Amino acid sequence: QITLKESGPTLVKPTQTLTLTCTFSGFSLSTTGVAVGWIRQPPEKALEWLALIYWNDDKRYRPSLESRLTITKDTSKNQVVLTMTNMDPVDTATYYCAHRLVDTPAVTFDYWGQGTLVTVSS
Amino acid sequence: SYELTQPPSVSVSPGQTASITCSGEKLGDKFACWYQQRPGQSPVLVIYQDTKRPSGIPERFSGSNSGNTATLTISGTQAMDEADYYCQTWDSSTVVFGGGTKLTVL
Repeated sequence: QITLKESGPTLVKPTQTLTLTCTFSGFSLSTTGVAVGWIRQPPEKALEWLALIYWNDDKRYRPSLESRLTITKDTSKNQVVLTMTNMDPVDTATYYCAHRLVDTPAVTFDYWGQGTLVTVSS
Repeated sequence: SYELTQPPSVSVSPGQTASITCSGEKLGDKFACWYQQRPGQSPVLVIYQDTKRPSGIPERFSGSNSGNTATLTISGTQAMDEADYYCQTWDSSTVVFGGGTKLTVL
C-alpha cells in the first residue's frame, strides 16, 4: 500500500526559503522507474506541477520556477525534499507530493499525499 | 511552453453522458491522463495513457485522445461524479496540467 505525506511550515514570510518534506511508504525510490513529484494548487486555482525526481537522481523542474526550486531524495529515509527560495504571497498554495505510475512511458501520478497548505505572509 | 486548454465548466443531468475536453497542439501524439478532485480532497487518477482505468475506477469513466483533443467521458453520470477534472500530459520532460473543468451534475 503506497502512502505519501507532506510536512513543513504552514506559514512563511516573504523572501524566506520554504522546505517541504514528503515521507512515503509502500515503495522504494531506488527501484527502476520510480519517481516522486511535487505539485501545488493555489486556493481555488488549478494544479501546477513543480518538480520531479527519479530513482536514478535525474531531476526535472517547472521551467518558470527552475531557478528557485531544488528537489532531493533520501532513499534510506524514504523522503523527498523540495526547497523553494524567495517565497512570495503568490506562492500561497496547497503543496502535494505524488508517486509516479511506473507502468506507463508517460509521467502520471497514481498516488497523492493529502497536501499541506503553505501561506506566505508577513 | 506547452499548454492544455479545458472548458471551465460542464453541466450534465444525472444518468446522462458528460464529456470533458482537453486541447493541446498535437496532443494525440502524447499520452494524456485525467484526475478527479472533489472539494477539499487530493486529486485521484481516473484515466491514464489515454484510455486506461486504474483499478477501482468505475467503468463509466473512459478516455480518448486523437488529433489535438483528449476527451474524458462519464457515462451514466452520478451525483458523486460532481468534481473538478484536470487533464495532464508530459511534454519536453515537463509535466503539464490543464486549467481544470468543474463538472456540475444537476
